[in-house]
Amino acid sequence: EAGVAQSPRYKIIEKRQSVAFWCNPISGHATLYWYQQILGQGPKLLIQFQNNGVVDDSQLPKDRFSAERLKGVDSTLKIQPAKLEDSAVYLCASSPHAGGDEKLFFGSGTQLSVL
Amino acid sequence: AQRVTQPEKLLSVFKGAPVELKCNYSYSGSPELFWYVQYSRQRLQLLLRHISRESIKGFTADLNKGETSFHLKKPFAQEEDSAMYYCALRIAGGSYIPTFGRGTSLIVHP
Repeated sequence: EAGVAQSPRYKIIEKRQSVAFWCNPISGHATLYWYQQILGQGPKLLIQFQNNGVVDDSQLPKDRFSAERLKGVDSTLKIQPAKLEDSAVYLCASSPHAGGDEKLFFGSGTQLSVL
Repeated sequence: AQRVTQPEKLLSVFKGAPVELKCNYSYSGSPELFWYVQYSRQRLQLLLRHISRESIKGFTADLNKGETSFHLKKPFAQEEDSAMYYCALRIAGGSYIPTFGRGTSLIVHP
């Protein structure tokens, strides 16, 4: 089966610029996650969608980050304006449901460098 | 809030030696625990989950609720086991938010 697709793979921007990441989950997966992984740290959940509704966005810095999943399929994550500390790998993951024993399928990630 | 601790950033062993990657969690309820692995230039993927009680690539992990631990073990390490290993926790009930530890880099020397 096709995996989780993310684009772009790399992005370099200057601080205060805007950036957007795109994710297409595995077909039929209802749950979609965006994680931020700073170098040397584990993935930190930013937002979790169930279909096109937000399940949890408690760790999303809403003053600069936004995410949407309008049709319950693919999703975009936006940062506006970017700060130096936003440099990280942004991982998208999906799972068939939101059940506790469901495993996550990860994309390759987008590596963001903010200069 | 739930928390996952992986105390070792780096674990270095020789081929054939036993391996134990430590994972401790803080949560008072019934957790679902996982180990994910990321090999060089590959995406993060599930290695095993405690509910399955399975052995994958020779790795096993036992949930110890008394010690709130879910250590990953392998009796004889192989060079191809070199990777980043992440312990993850999901709480049964609620929104099942997956929480990850910071990861342990395992290096297996020939």
